[in-house]
Amino acid sequence: QQQVRQSPQSLTVWEGETAILNCSYEDSTFDYFPWYHQFPGESPALLIAIRPVSNKKEDGRFTIFFNKREKKFSLHIADSQPGDSATYFCAARDNYAQGLTFGLGTRVSVFP
Amino acid sequence: GGIITQTPKFLIGQEGQKLTLKCQQNFNHDTMYWYRQDSGKGLRLIYYSITENDLQKGDLSEGYDASREKKSSFSLTVTSAQKNEMAVFLCASRENSYAEQFFGPGTRLTVL
Repeated sequence: QQQVRQSPQSLTVWEGETAILNCSYEDSTFDYFPWYHQFPGESPALLIAIRPVSNKKEDGRFTIFFNKREKKFSLHIADSQPGDSATYFCAARDNYAQGLTFGLGTRVSVFP
Repeated sequence: GGIITQTPKFLIGQEGQKLTLKCQQNFNHDTMYWYRQDSGKGLRLIYYSITENDLQKGDLSEGYDASREKKSSFSLTVTSAQKNEMAVFLCASRENSYAEQFFGPGTRLTVL
C-alpha cells in the first residue's frame, strides 16, 4: 500500500513557468514533509521541508503548500529554469518512526 | 561538514550469493538508514539504526540483514541475491529527530 501518493509521474514546463507537483498521504501521524530532488547519477538531496504547524513554506523559488484537512501538500517551482530538470520526491515521516516514506517521484523537464 | 561514503560503488553478484554493502559517515550522526531505490519506485526503507548496536526493520527488510557495530558505520547484507533486486542501495544518516537526512552516493547492485 502506497502511503504517500505523488503526481504527476512526469511534468514538462517551459522556462519561466511554474511547475506544480502534488502529493497526498493517508497516515494522520505524519508530521514532517520534505521534498527531495535527485539529478541523474546523484543521490537525493533535501530541497525544502514543512511541518503541519504551517500551511506554507518558501525558500527562494520553491514553495510548499500544505493542507492538513485534505492530507495534501504540493511543491511549486516558480520561474522554472533548465537547471531545475530533475526527479522530485515528496516524503513523510511521523513522530515515532525514524525512516521517511517516499512518493514514487515526478520527473520534471524544463525546456528553454 | 561531513561525508557519507558507500562501498563498493558497483557490486556484481551471482544469484543466490551473499553480498555485503558498507556505509561510513563522519557526521557523528546517531541514526543511520538503508534504502533501496528501484527505477520508477522511489525509495523504500530496508533497515535503520538509532544508535550503535541497534537495528530496526523497515518495510523491505525481508531478505536482508544489517549490522551497526560502530556509530560511524552501518552494513547491509543481501542474504541471497535475486535478479529482481537489482537496484541502487542508498545509505543515509541523521543527527536527531528534527534534523535533515543526508544520503550517501549509493551502491548499484547487479545480479547475474
